Order: sequence, then structure tokens, then C-alpha cells
Amino acid sequence: EPEVTQTPSHQVTQMGQEVILRCVPISNHLYFYWYRQILGQKVEFLVSFYNNEISEKSEIFDDQFSVERPDGSNFTLKIRSTKLEDSAMYFCASNGLAGGEQYFGPGTRLTVT
Amino acid sequence: GENVEQHPSTLSVQEGDSAVIKCTYSDSASNYFPWYKQELGKRPQLIIDIRSNVGEKKDQRIAVTLNKTAKHFSLHITETQPEDSAVYFCAALGYQKVTFGTGTKLQVIP
Repeated sequence: EPEVTQTPSHQVTQMGQEVILRCVPISNHLYFYWYRQILGQKVEFLVSFYNNEISEKSEIFDDQFSVERPDGSNFTLKIRSTKLEDSAMYFCASNGLAGGEQYFGPGTRLTVT
Repeated sequence: GENVEQHPSTLSVQEGDSAVIKCTYSDSASNYFPWYKQELGKRPQLIIDIRSNVGEKKDQRIAVTLNKTAKHFSLHITETQPEDSAVYFCAALGYQKVTFGTGTKLQVIP
């Protein structure tokens, strides 16, 4: 069964550094999402992406964040200058239909020191 | 924006009993309501979902009900088993934005 994959599984970075989190959505899916989950808290929506542009974004997704689909398979989340409070699990998700079931990747644990 | 509230935050039940988790949402434009189960350190996994044109949906021991007028939806798990122990999240989807509830930690006591 096709799955969403994410790399790396764990990223440790120093405050102020740029990080890029990578996701490979399911191949025939058209809608892509990034979420974050601070340890012990709820899953928070960051951004949705369709047709090579952002569809929706939350207030968390400020100028420090950007997303890109650089080729036909990858979907990336960039954080330009990481802060301690960016430490969280970041989940990528995709779906094939608007408003349909989203398939989550295994997550990338980002630790900012 | 959408606001999803979820109750209770923790729930302990004896094995074999039922568990009910409730959520309310604020945006009448939300039209898709999934429920996720998340085990420690794992990704959220969809267990059941319901669309706004349906009032109830059942899948074996799991059921979801939706009251659009009152803007609330509930998860019902019957005949609970220890492996049902996890954190459960409700969510509401508007256009392309998903808002999650705060989670319910369910503990099933053998």
C-alpha cells in the first residue's frame, strides 16, 4: 500500500539555522499539508498546498516558513531561522480528493538547541 | 477561524465498557470530520470519518455521530479493549484547513 514518507526522521539543529524537512506524498495525490505537534500537545495545521500554491495557512505559518514542491515527487517545508519553540514533530500529509481522507507520514522530530 | 473543542481530556474505562468522546466546532462551513488515533511517538491514524450530509456512521466497534445544527460530533467505542488505549483527536475540515481538537487520552483498564 502506498505511504507518505518523510526524511529525516530526526533533525537536530542550532537556533538560527535553516532546516528543510522533506516529504514524498503518495504519487497520485494532489493536496499536500504540513502539521506540527509539540510534545504532548495537539496536532496543529500549518499549511495546505494545491496546484503549486498555498491554499490555506495558519497563523503559525509566518515569514520564517515556506513550502515548495521542487519536482514531481517531493514536498518540502523550510524554516529559515529556527527558534527553540520550533522544536516539535512535523507531519506531512496528502490526499487525492479535496476534503477527503488525509494520509500522514511518520513525521520528522525537529529539535532546536 | 475554526475552533474545535474536545472533551474529556482523559478517560479511563474498564475493558469491555464503552467510551464516548465529544467535540464541538464553530465554523458552519466545515464539512468533513475525521477521528484519529495516535499512539505514543506515532503518526495520527484515521479510524473513522463522517461528512456533513450524514448523521451517523459505524465501523465495527467504532461509531461517529454528527449533529450539524448543534455543531457537535462524537466518537463511540464499544466493547473497549486494552489496545484501544491511545490519544484520540477529532478534527474539522473547512476548505483546505484542518483544525484538530485538543485530544483525549483513553486508558482501557484490563
